[in-house]
Amino acid sequence: DTGVSQDPRHKITKRGQNVTFRCDPISEHNRLYWYRQTLGQGPEFLTYFQNEAQLEKSRLLSDRFSAERPKGSFSTLEIQRTEQGDSAMYLCASSSQGHLNTEAFFGQGTRLTVV
Amino acid sequence: AQSVAQPEDQVNVAEGNPLTVKCTYSVSGNPYLFWYVQYPNRGLQFLLKYITGDNLVKGSYGFEAEFNKSQTSFHLKKPSALVSDSALYFCAVRGSSGNTGKLIFGQGTTLQVKP
Repeated sequence: DTGVSQDPRHKITKRGQNVTFRCDPISEHNRLYWYRQTLGQGPEFLTYFQNEAQLEKSRLLSDRFSAERPKGSFSTLEIQRTEQGDSAMYLCASSSQGHLNTEAFFGQGTRLTVV
Repeated sequence: AQSVAQPEDQVNVAEGNPLTVKCTYSVSGNPYLFWYVQYPNRGLQFLLKYITGDNLVKGSYGFEAEFNKSQTSFHLKKPSALVSDSALYFCAVRGSSGNTGKLIFGQGTTLQVKP
């Protein structure tokens, strides 16, 4: 499978615990995005990497959230001291270098439930 | 600020009838417009995009969309709906200013096709 891969698919955690999600983009894609989607809403942009550089972070990304892409390949999204409001689907997407007309390809997402 | 509006939470059509899912946008500069489809517990699948040129763009699964600059709209259409088209549809825009390539999504429209 050469699509965007996310792990785990589901995560249930207790409030206050830390969680980490992983995204493996399509191999030749150098642009990587994280989005958050809550029920009944469209995906909301969280952060963007070009290669290993994190070039944009949304105001939605509080200081409890951190993302990395250390070698410009896979990326991780960590949430510290989880809160119930963090429960959502976390989507990763990647796209190729090029003009802004290239479409993004999405993974199947990680569904986080904070209890 | 960039934004996308999908004015209908749900669209109901009978199988075999034409369907339209509406989308309007607001963006500085030239818009890059996209439609994605989401099936339950799945990521988003790319359907089609408008970059420039012909206002009618064709995409996957028989879908097409019409770009109307004066009305700032990008409605999704299909001449004959199938029950299997039932899903959640998202319109998204990417502005030509800036270079992160992040997508701004609408809230989504649930399409229900009844036999």
